[in-house]
Amino acid sequence: GIQVEQSPPDLILQEGANSTLRCNFSDSVNNLQWFHQNPWGQLINLFYIPSGTKQNGRLSATTVATERYSLLYISSSQTTDSGVYFCAPERGGGTSYGKLTFGQGTILTVHP
Amino acid sequence: DTGVSQDPRHKITKRGQNVTFRCDPISEHNRLYWYRQTLGQGPEFLTYFQNEAQLEKSRLLSDRFSAERPKGSFSTLEIQRTEQGDSAMYLCASSRLADEQFFGPGTRLTVL
Repeated sequence: GIQVEQSPPDLILQEGANSTLRCNFSDSVNNLQWFHQNPWGQLINLFYIPSGTKQNGRLSATTVATERYSLLYISSSQTTDSGVYFCAPERGGGTSYGKLTFGQGTILTVHP
Repeated sequence: DTGVSQDPRHKITKRGQNVTFRCDPISEHNRLYWYRQTLGQGPEFLTYFQNEAQLEKSRLLSDRFSAERPKGSFSTLEIQRTEQGDSAMYLCASSRLADEQFFGPGTRLTVL
C-alpha cells in the first residue's frame, strides 16, 4: 500500500508564528485530504486537495501530485490551532477508491 | 447537513464480550467507511460500503469483526469475543462518490 510520511512529528510555536507541515507519499494519488484532530478526537476537514493550491483564512495547502508531496501552511498561529494534523491521500484504482491512508500526524502546540 | 453521528461515544467492556457500534452517515452520502485509531497513530482503514454493498475489507479486520449496512443508510460494526488489543477509537466517515470524507466523533472502546 501507499506509504505516507509527515514532518515534523512535533512542532511547538508561539502564538502569531507561521509554520509549514509537510506530507510525502510514495505513490500516485487520486485525492488528498488534510485534517485537524482536536483534543476530543474529532477529525475536522481542512482541505480536499488532489492538486494545486487552496486557501481558507489563515490556512492554505498545496499539493504537487507529480512530486508526491503536499504542504499545509498555518499563518499567525493561535492557541486553538493546537492538536494533531493529518494528511490522508487516497490512492484510488479498483476498489481502493475512497480508501484514505493516514500519516502519523504532526502534533502542533501553540503557546500564548 | 447534520454531521456523521456515532453511538455510543464510549464503551467499556470485559474481554470476551461482544460489542456493537452504530454509525449514521450524512444523508445522501452513499459511501460509508470504518477506521480504527490507536493512541499516537493515525486512523487505519477497516472497511467501506457503497450503498449496502461492502466493497473492501482490510486485513486488519479479523473474523471477529463484522460490519453491515443493511439498507444503505446506517451501519453497524460488531466485534465478537473482544480482546484487549481491540481497545481503540472506532471512527466512521461518509462521502458522496469520489468526494471528501467527513468523520463522526468516534466510539472509544476500552476492553478490560
